[in-house]
Amino acid sequence: ETGVTQTPRHLVMGMTNKKSLKCEQHLGHNAMYWYKQSAKKPLELMFVYSLEERVENNSVPSRFSPECPNSSHLFLHLHTLQPEDSALYLCASSQRQGRNEKLFFGSGTQLSVL
Amino acid sequence: AQKVTQAQTEISVVEKEDVTLDCVYETRDTTYYLFWYKQPPSGELVFLIRRNSFDEQNEISGRYSWNFQKSTSSFNFTITASQVVDSAVYFCALSEFEEGNEKLTFGTGTRLTIIP
Repeated sequence: ETGVTQTPRHLVMGMTNKKSLKCEQHLGHNAMYWYKQSAKKPLELMFVYSLEERVENNSVPSRFSPECPNSSHLFLHLHTLQPEDSALYLCASSQRQGRNEKLFFGSGTQLSVL
Repeated sequence: AQKVTQAQTEISVVEKEDVTLDCVYETRDTTYYLFWYKQPPSGELVFLIRRNSFDEQNEISGRYSWNFQKSTSSFNFTITASQVVDSAVYFCALSEFEEGNEKLTFGTGTRLTIIP
């Protein structure tokens, strides 16, 4: 148990569907992250929220839309995805206080886009 | 060029053998941090170690040890007397400043399988 919970664990969606991934952290951290993990590629940082403000958006297509209503919850809204978006989506949190932050990850949502 | 290179894609060893996972990094920063994370089959990445660039002392934690060599830009990870529970994907990562922002870059990971 890392203190970061992601739902659902698995998601299959068609290219025209709209779905959302949910992440909740119980660690009192002030920053939350979305990462994409594709086979044989490094983890790709998608979004960073610090104190509920988006501080980083790494050229992610607009079909991915993050939302951070409070410091404990993070969502990733998905619409009109492409098959190449199939991947493991990992949420993480940290206490941002300099350069040595340790990330705590959830178990991820395995997304398949048909 | 990759900033964090984990050249070993997959490694298999028999239980109780020692195994070393390699990590080579590239940075222009004089101050940076290096990390290792473990990703078991359950999916979540688990933090193992964080090392800053000014601390070149090797570290040992139980069966785990890390060898930081600034001269060769390497931060290798050794598991002694491996166990089946060590089977996982291991990621090396580099934290540096880029254009005023901190950037954490992961390697592609090494999948370690411990054969009973």
